[in-house]
Amino acid sequence: QKEVEQNSGPLSVPEGAIASLNCTYSDRGSQSFFWYRQYSGKSPELIMSIYSNGDKEDGRFTAQLNKASQYVSLLIRDSQPSDSATYLCAADTGRRALTFGSGTRLQVQP
Amino acid sequence: SQTIHQWPATLVQPVGSPLSLECTVEGTSNPNLYWYRQAAGRGLQLLFYSVGIGQISSEVPQNLSASRPQDRQFILSSKKLLLSDSGFYLCAWHRDSITEAFFGQGTRLTVV
Repeated sequence: QKEVEQNSGPLSVPEGAIASLNCTYSDRGSQSFFWYRQYSGKSPELIMSIYSNGDKEDGRFTAQLNKASQYVSLLIRDSQPSDSATYLCAADTGRRALTFGSGTRLQVQP
Repeated sequence: SQTIHQWPATLVQPVGSPLSLECTVEGTSNPNLYWYRQAAGRGLQLLFYSVGIGQISSEVPQNLSASRPQDRQFILSSKKLLLSDSGFYLCAWHRDSITEAFFGQGTRLTVV
């Protein structure tokens, strides 16, 4: 079983809609969770971090963490074509480095 | 603020040739440094990490090696490249193992 799992997509949403990206993790001891955005050919860029159960909002982005169910989600409100990218979920899994999911490709249709 | 530099941005190398990719971090001391590889359409594979000068841990067996000659310098090397070494190589640093990672611009390596 992969430690951090994401649906590879593509997830296609119309411009202005809410995009919902999901991630599950297997290590119940994980404390830190991150969402990265990666444009094609570019390196990942951190957009959100979350450490406690519940919601964390930053502009159009909301991260949600449910430790009991072992999932993390990212909501993007008012999606724009510029949000089209691959979104990587990462978690600490007791190792020396974060463990990354394989990413979900988001396409926002104008 | 901290910045991470990685070069070159792109590289085309013949099979059997050597490789040296360099990464430096500015604005922090004693960072945890990492090398990842990302194959096309795939996730990030951790190759090496280092918690200090001369301290290298390898995550996967391969014909690559890493070195950390200075606190803020991390080098990825190979003596003889294979076709399977093609990919997008990313250097990253963390303050510690549970905090966010910050990435360099990446090196697109194509072995021909």
